[in-house]
Amino acid sequence: GQQVMQIPQYQHVQEGEDFTTYCNSSTTLSNIQWYKQRPGGHPVFLIQLVKSGEVKKQKRLTFQFGEAKKNSSLHITATQTTDVGTYFCAGSLRAGSYQLTFGKGTKLSVIP
Amino acid sequence: DSGVTQTPKHLITATGQRVTLRCSPRSGDLSVYWYQQSLDQGLQFLIQYYNGEERAKGNILERFSAQQFPDLHSELNLSSLELGDSALYFCASSLGQLPGNTIYFGEGSWLTVV
Repeated sequence: GQQVMQIPQYQHVQEGEDFTTYCNSSTTLSNIQWYKQRPGGHPVFLIQLVKSGEVKKQKRLTFQFGEAKKNSSLHITATQTTDVGTYFCAGSLRAGSYQLTFGKGTKLSVIP
Repeated sequence: DSGVTQTPKHLITATGQRVTLRCSPRSGDLSVYWYQQSLDQGLQFLIQYYNGEERAKGNILERFSAQQFPDLHSELNLSSLELGDSALYFCASSLGQLPGNTIYFGEGSWLTVV
């Protein structure tokens, strides 16, 4: 079954508000990746986190990897309409595993 | 444009039929992955090949099979199709093997089984 849980499933925000999506795994992840899928599009790689406690920033996006490497978050500051889409986390559940397990995604809607 | 090419983009077929989805990875990428995306199941990993060899198998049904050819393109064969097989099938590629490699997705093949 699904071992990478992502919440919330949907999020509606007013343009300019912040947004956060959370990813949790029942097992330690060797790494975690984040993807964005625009409506009607395909998933596009955003970032990869590997180290415990790692924090990476991309402009208004901040990605964190938990100390225990079982959870991660993506925070968007001051959302814009261009941020609309579904954000997926994906992790390798076993060290050396070639299988990337995706969360079900958080669908973000931004109200102008 | 990710550089991953998938054909066909759309396909409508009847139950019980067989279809083949084709994928050309990015130039230089050795790994190919297949994913199924449906509304209720999200992105489900099906199978991965690396340089022609199967490397990982996910939730792939026995009615489905795949292969990667010497020129590194890959095909996903879906047989005895059922209504529930209707989904968007993504191919993705990466230079090496996971973990640690970024994977690039194609635009997907929409399969509708009627």
